[in-house]
Amino acid sequence: DAGVIQSPRHEVTEMGQEVTLRCKPISGHDYLFWYRQTMMRGLELLIYFNNNVPIDDSGMPEDRFSAKMPNASFSTLKIQPSEPRDSAVYFCASSLTGVAGNTIYFGEGSWLTVV
Amino acid sequence: AQSVSQHNHHVILSEAASLELGCNYSYGGTVNLFWYVQYPGQHLQLLLKYFSGDPLVKGIKGFEAEFIKSKFSFNLRKPSVQWSDTAEYFCAVNTYNAGNMLTFGGGTRLMVKP
Repeated sequence: DAGVIQSPRHEVTEMGQEVTLRCKPISGHDYLFWYRQTMMRGLELLIYFNNNVPIDDSGMPEDRFSAKMPNASFSTLKIQPSEPRDSAVYFCASSLTGVAGNTIYFGEGSWLTVV
Repeated sequence: AQSVSQHNHHVILSEAASLELGCNYSYGGTVNLFWYVQYPGQHLQLLLKYFSGDPLVKGIKGFEAEFIKSKFSFNLRKPSVQWSDTAEYFCAVNTYNAGNMLTFGGGTRLMVKP
């Protein structure tokens, strides 16, 4: 399996621009997670989906952030407008429900810099 | 809600030294426990996990962790570290009522001096 695939791997954008991060989970996985990693705050769960439905978005910092999962193989995380404090690594992850299937697999991350 | 504490934020060791990274969680019910490793510039990778059974879990690259339920702990150990073990290590917990959601500790940055 190709694993969790994220794009872009790196993005540098100017403050105020819209940023869209993309994720393809592992085929067959029914959970998808978006995490943000910064030096100051560590790993934070932003939102997660189960069967394409958002379950918990309490970690989304503010209204500038939105996430969608239109189908089982694709999700986006959008920031509009972006701000310098959004600079971070954004990880997408997926997992499969099951008694012993709770291992979460991470993508390689999207490194976002907002200048 | 569950929480995970990693008390050591930075650890510096020389090669061949023994390693123990602390992890404590707060949740009274059944938990699944994980250690993930993040090498510099890379994504998180699963090191080992505990679901049930033998509380001493063996992972990849010579790592092991022991689940001590009475202490709510899941410490990571390695008898002899190598320079290539330089990375950040994250402990995480999952509970069945959290819908597969992982709660991570703050991470421990390990630097191994050659």
